[in-house]
Amino acid sequence: DAGVTQSPTHLIKTRGQQVTLRCSPISGHKSVSWYQQVLGQGPQFIFQYYEKEERGRGNFPDRFSARQFPNYSSELNVNALLLGDSALYLCASSLVTGGTDTQYFGPGTRLTVL
Amino acid sequence: KNQVEQSPQSLIILEGKNCTLQCNYTVSPFSNLRWYKQDTGRGPVSLTIMTFSENTKSNGRYTATLDADTKQSSLHITASQLSDSASYICVVSDSGGGADGLTFGKGTHLIIQP
Repeated sequence: DAGVTQSPTHLIKTRGQQVTLRCSPISGHKSVSWYQQVLGQGPQFIFQYYEKEERGRGNFPDRFSARQFPNYSSELNVNALLLGDSALYLCASSLVTGGTDTQYFGPGTRLTVL
Repeated sequence: KNQVEQSPQSLIILEGKNCTLQCNYTVSPFSNLRWYKQDTGRGPVSLTIMTFSENTKSNGRYTATLDADTKQSSLHITASQLSDSASYICVVSDSGGGADGLTFGKGTHLIIQP
């Protein structure tokens, strides 16, 4: 079985631009979560979606948005990019939304904002 | 505010030696604690997950312990290998479930030298 996949692997943008990151969960997983990981820090929660509905949102500005599609894949959009948005963006999938359910992380998308 | 503190921040040991990483948390209410291994530039991979009633859990050469009374956990690595070089992240979940209930530590950066 394929694990969580993310695209693209790397991305370079300039300030003010918009970016879309994509994530495909493990087959059968209905929950997708997005995290931002700045170098040297732990991941910070951005969004969680389950069955195409937003189930949680972290402390991020409205420039960040996401959605989940009927096939459970997901997109993260970031508008009006700032230098501080440079980070590794991780997607994680799980069967359900929480409890002891393990989250499986993808390889991440490395975003660099110049 | 929920917090997870990990120590040491970084650690260098020789191949074949053992080491112990520490995690202290102030997450309440508590549901479970997970240890993840994250290779540089990659997504985290789950090593162990422990609930309130579990004191220890092993995964090969990795053994995690949990003291829910003192809110401390440790990850012990036995007979280290070069492939153990990575960041190890402690993640604590509150009883609400969901990705927004996860609190990540900043990780311990472990380097195994030959």
